[in-house]
Amino acid sequence: DVQLVQSGAEVGKPGESLKISCKGSGYNFSKYWIAWVRQLPGKGLELMGFIYPGDSDTRFSPSFQGQVILSADKSTNTAYLQWSNLKASDTAMYYCARRGGAFPDWYFDLWGRGTLVTVSS
Amino acid sequence: QSVLAQPPSASGTPGQRVTISCSGSNSNIGTKSVNWYQQLPGTAPKLLMYRNNQRPSGVPDRFSGSKSGTSASLAISGLQSEDEADYYCASWDDSLNAWVFGGGTKLTV
Repeated sequence: DVQLVQSGAEVGKPGESLKISCKGSGYNFSKYWIAWVRQLPGKGLELMGFIYPGDSDTRFSPSFQGQVILSADKSTNTAYLQWSNLKASDTAMYYCARRGGAFPDWYFDLWGRGTLVTVSS
Repeated sequence: QSVLAQPPSASGTPGQRVTISCSGSNSNIGTKSVNWYQQLPGTAPKLLMYRNNQRPSGVPDRFSGSKSGTSASLAISGLQSEDEADYYCASWDDSLNAWVFGGGTKLTV
């Protein structure tokens, strides 16, 4: 099956570091950009950034530049989203999604089920 | 506040036709294509429409997309209870140099 499988829910404290994952299967993971999308509780979708697993090239939306770290391991078909200093405002659902199409006609055609991150002291 | 403006809510009865709008500008919809995503309650978003009016395989032809000038629309005909979801438009924005989603429209059936 073509799918993206995300890691389970996480709870962290302010100031801690955290890393969540997104593992692809059923397609050539290295050849498609992976996007990370944030959804704050009860709110809409926000694109955080992209990573190309083939060479770990990353691009960030302006609002998220410097706030998170994106990485990927093409040997295990896994992309990662990481925080080094969690804040309560990072509490949200985080989705990974496969990006298709060519700029600017991108689309996100395959989504993970999401990872809920809760930051609380 | 997103640069792609959607009505916060829409509603219809089973069998009706409903349209959801997405209003932008020449830095996004006016010059770029639009996607639509459906997010059923408690689930991940799903691609519903790409390049304005292209349906991925598996999306029923009850769903259709269109674009005119700086606005786009998603139409759902033969409304069904399982269509009750949040719907998001999305596009690239040249001014922000970023991919943007609309604020979302909650459809009640």
